[in-house]
Amino acid sequence: AQSVSQHNHHVILSEAASLELGCNYSYGGTVNLFWYVQYPGQHLQLLLKYFSGDPLVKGIKGFEAEFIKSKFSFNLRKPSVQWSDTAEYFCAVTPSGAGSYQLTFGKGTKLSVIP
Amino acid sequence: KAGVTQTPRYLIKTRGQQVTLSCSPISGHRSVSWYQQTPGQGLQFLFEYFSETQRNKGNFPGRFSGRQFSNSRSEMNVSTLELGDSALYLCASSLEAGGDEQYFGPGTRLTVT
Repeated sequence: AQSVSQHNHHVILSEAASLELGCNYSYGGTVNLFWYVQYPGQHLQLLLKYFSGDPLVKGIKGFEAEFIKSKFSFNLRKPSVQWSDTAEYFCAVTPSGAGSYQLTFGKGTKLSVIP
Repeated sequence: KAGVTQTPRYLIKTRGQQVTLSCSPISGHRSVSWYQQTPGQGLQFLFEYFSETQRNKGNFPGRFSGRQFSNSRSEMNVSTLELGDSALYLCASSLEAGGDEQYFGPGTRLTVT
């Protein structure tokens, strides 16, 4: 079975600071990787995804993530955060080509951006 | 296009009772998955349905069950409720089983007293 580890429980940044949220997964095969965001009072939304190809993927709102296969990592980055990025961020993984969805989520990282 | 809808949004039940939650996927989506979100355990996969068949099941007791109808709408049922079942139950839909991405609904907040 797969598992996902997010290193930081709560991150506090000032506006314009750079962001990097760590995500490591454990699984013996090929995976699809996702970052979801949950803004206060809203439902989960997909930020970006990696299925194959270029390991550097770009998502919405200026976010990007890099898949490093040798490190089993899929870290989320943003060069300059805004107050509106305050939210909880979840990394998730599912075995690829399984023909069935079973997303395994990390415990989430709460991001607070101070104006 | 309307998003994933879940009803009811909030529910309070007593220990020992049973509850049914409903999920309507995005039009055209045929796969529906259910997740439980709690502060302690985070987001955990419950099950996935595609074409009225359960394709995958997470590590939850048999008190948790679900079904999918021919119009892709899905229900999940929890029998003999326990205090620990208090959680946000999320439904997600995708075009196909194991498809491109899942779209999540707002969730049903279940409180068991």
